[in-house]
Amino acid sequence: QKEVEQDPGPLSVPEGAIVSLNCTYSNSAFQYFMWYRQYSRKGPELLMYTYSSGNKEDGRFTAQVDKSSKYISLFIRDSQPSDSATYLCAVGGTSYGKLTFGQGTILTVHP
Amino acid sequence: EAQVTQNPRYLITVTGKKLTVTCSQNMNHEYMSWYRQDPGLGLRQIYYSMNVEVTDKGDVPEGYKVSRKEKRNFPLILESPSPNQTSLYFCASSTPRTSGSYNEQFFGPGTRLTVL
Repeated sequence: QKEVEQDPGPLSVPEGAIVSLNCTYSNSAFQYFMWYRQYSRKGPELLMYTYSSGNKEDGRFTAQVDKSSKYISLFIRDSQPSDSATYLCAVGGTSYGKLTFGQGTILTVHP
Repeated sequence: EAQVTQNPRYLITVTGKKLTVTCSQNMNHEYMSWYRQDPGLGLRQIYYSMNVEVTDKGDVPEGYKVSRKEKRNFPLILESPSPNQTSLYFCASSTPRTSGSYNEQFFGPGTRLTVL
């Protein structure tokens, strides 16, 4: 079993839709949870980071962590074509500096 | 501008021909790491370094070498590349994680390697 499983997609939604991206993880020792966004031909960039269960909001983006079920989500409200990218969940905290990534979900938001 | 740079960005080579992919960061970060990205497998860590002369294996180290002689540079070496090392490679750096916090990893632009 992979340590982090991410819904593979791809996802294609119309502009303005609400997008839900999801990951599960297996090791309860993971302490922090991230979402990275990767545009085509670019390196990943940190989008959201949370350290505990609950919700964290940043503009149109909400990251949600449920440690009891080992489930993390990213919601995008009022999605825009500029949100089209690959979204990667990542978990860490079990060893120095190490992040474990999900497989990534390719999202396309069409006008 | 704070950044991680990688060279080359694209490389096509043949089996067995030694190659080096360079990585450099200008943020004075202690921690550096190499990942490979493959379809359906996400990003997997190859090697990491916590500081100069301190390196350790990640999840998929076979066939790769690294060195960390200077804080800013962390080259990835493929002594005898094989076709299964065809992939997209990313270098990343960050400051050390302190207890109870996370320090963002900054990624380079990637190196697309094809081994024929």
